Amino acid sequence: GQQLNQSPQSMFIQEGEDVSMNCTSSSIFNTWLWYKQDPGEGPVLLIALYKAGELTSNGRLTAQFGITRKDSFLNISASIPSDVGIYFCAGQSYNNNDMRFGAGTRLTVKP
Amino acid sequence: DAMVIQNPRYQVTQFGKPVTLSCSQTLNHNVMYWYQQKSSQAPKLLFHYYDKDFNNEADTPDNFQSRRPNTSFCFLDIRSPGLGDAAMYLCATSRDPSIRGEQYFGPGTRLTVT
Repeated sequence: GQQLNQSPQSMFIQEGEDVSMNCTSSSIFNTWLWYKQDPGEGPVLLIALYKAGELTSNGRLTAQFGITRKDSFLNISASIPSDVGIYFCAGQSYNNNDMRFGAGTRLTVKP
Repeated sequence: DAMVIQNPRYQVTQFGKPVTLSCSQTLNHNVMYWYQQKSSQAPKLLFHYYDKDFNNEADTPDNFQSRRPNTSFCFLDIRSPGLGDAAMYLCATSRDPSIRGEQYFGPGTRLTVT
């Protein structure tokens, strides 16, 4: 099946720093999604991207759908302690109902 | 607020004792999914319902079954839980993946098998 490579696996940053993480795929997707998961909770949708080249912001978060449709990145600016969690990218093609997840990026923010 | 609800949040069952997890949604979405998530891993899709049409993943064990009696509710039945089935089980919904792909997740049920 389609594999998503998400990097980095983990990040340890200082409060106030910017963060960048990305996902790449061997196949094209029609939709890229970014989720955040807190411990013991379900993933929460942060940003959804539907067009190649699309750049979308949600507060301090910005995500882009790569031109090749095989990659996406998520940036977090001026990180705060509540940004701690696991961030998952996910991609979906129109030819099936499945959504493929990356392995996640665990973010730790030091005050 | 429209949402995905999972009950219970925590479930303890004995080895081999059948258990049912439930999910309900007020989003009126066509598709409902069940995922299994083990510690520090991405969610793994078990199966999904597109309306009444059931779609099983090829590698989902027969031990896992699902029912969707109506649009709002979907159940995950584990017929004979093993220790390896201890995990977080996530329910998700989407309107119609051929139009917009985003899925909305419930808070999950953490299953412990003793």
